[in-house]
Amino acid sequence: AAGVIQSPRHLIKEKRETATLKCYPIPRHDTVYWYQQGPGQDPQFLISFYEKMQSDKGSIPDRFSAQQFSDYHSELNMSSLELGDSALYFCASSRSRDPSYEQYFGPGTRLTVT
Amino acid sequence: AQSVAQPEDQVNVAEGNPLTVKCTYSVSGNPYLFWYVQYPNRGLQFLLKYITGDNLVKGSYGFEAEFNKSQTSFHLKKPSALVSDSALYFCAVRTYSSASKIIFGSGTRLSIRP
Repeated sequence: AAGVIQSPRHLIKEKRETATLKCYPIPRHDTVYWYQQGPGQDPQFLISFYEKMQSDKGSIPDRFSAQQFSDYHSELNMSSLELGDSALYFCASSRSRDPSYEQYFGPGTRLTVT
Repeated sequence: AQSVAQPEDQVNVAEGNPLTVKCTYSVSGNPYLFWYVQYPNRGLQFLLKYITGDNLVKGSYGFEAEFNKSQTSFHLKKPSALVSDSALYFCAVRTYSSASKIIFGSGTRLSIRP
């Protein structure tokens, strides 16, 4: 079965640089979510999109922005990177934004900021 | 405020023995409860969920979980543990008022010894 695809899988950036993470949801899933997982921590919700519109916002820094495109893929743009941004970034998708629907997670992008 | 608690950082079980990973929650409104498993350097995999109905729900890989409304618990169980079950397990909750946001517990590392 098709899964959520994320690229790149690993990314190394320097402080103050920018990074773009991409997410391709499972076909026919209309909702995309982004999470940040620091070392030894649980995933923290950043932002979500439903039908290409932002639907909810969590603890996403102002330096970050995201969007969902017409083909439903999503991109997380991160600017002025800081050392503390080093983390595993997950994208998830679901068939509906209804909270009773489970989310399916991608393998994650490991971002290292040096 | 909504929260999920996993009181045990680590659970150690011998292969073939039953296992339980504990989870309690605090939400306003009806909860939708989920269990996810995370293997090293991998994304979270959905195991099972409780939405409504029968308090005992069955999921992937022989796991099941019991919803207890009076104790606000949703413990994960398996009758006979396998070494391959060793991983990090997250309990999570969503409600209609939380919309997109999943509240994760802090995770429990399950270690199955041969």
